Amino acid sequence: QKEVEQNSGPLSVPEGAIASLNCTYSDQGSQSFFWYRQYSGKSPELIMFIYSNGDKEDGRFTAQLNKASQYVSLLIRDSQPSDSATYLCAFLGAFGNEKLTFGTGTRLTIIP
Amino acid sequence: EAQVTQNPRYLITVTGKKLTVTCSQNMNHEYMSWYRQDPGLGLRQIYYSMNVEVTDKGDVPEGYKVSRKEKRNFPLILESPSPNQTSLYFCASSLTGTKVSETQYFGPGTRLLVL
Repeated sequence: QKEVEQNSGPLSVPEGAIASLNCTYSDQGSQSFFWYRQYSGKSPELIMFIYSNGDKEDGRFTAQLNKASQYVSLLIRDSQPSDSATYLCAFLGAFGNEKLTFGTGTRLTIIP
Repeated sequence: EAQVTQNPRYLITVTGKKLTVTCSQNMNHEYMSWYRQDPGLGLRQIYYSMNVEVTDKGDVPEGYKVSRKEKRNFPLILESPSPNQTSLYFCASSLTGTKVSETQYFGPGTRLLVL
């Protein structure tokens, strides 16, 4: 089993709708989880991090974490064409193994 | 401006010709890391460094070397590049690498082609 699983997409969402991106992980000791956005040919940039179960909101973005199910998601409300990018989830390993492990990314396209 | 810089940004080389990709950060970060990104494989860590003179292997260290003689610099060395090292390389840094809420800052990337 891969350490981090993401649906590679592409995921197409109409402009103004909610985009839902999902990620599962295998390391039960993972401390925290990150969502990065990467535009084509550019470097990843951090959107959000979450380390407690539940929801965390920041503007149009909501991260959701369920440690029991080893599942983290990212919701993008009122999707804009500028949200079209590849979204990478990543997790920070347990104490003593603080490695940041990335998923392969989900390609999101917002259709005007 | 806080940033991570990499040089060169693009490099075409031939098999076996030693090369170095430089990485520098101006944020006084302790933790630095190198990743390679390949289609369908995502970002994979090559080496990381928790501080000066402290380096450790990531997931795909074969064929690469690193050194951390100064806090701000973390060069990636390919002693004898091979075509399977053709990839997009990113350097990244963060304050300590161990905090749950710590942001990792990425450099602009180096696109390497080994013929």
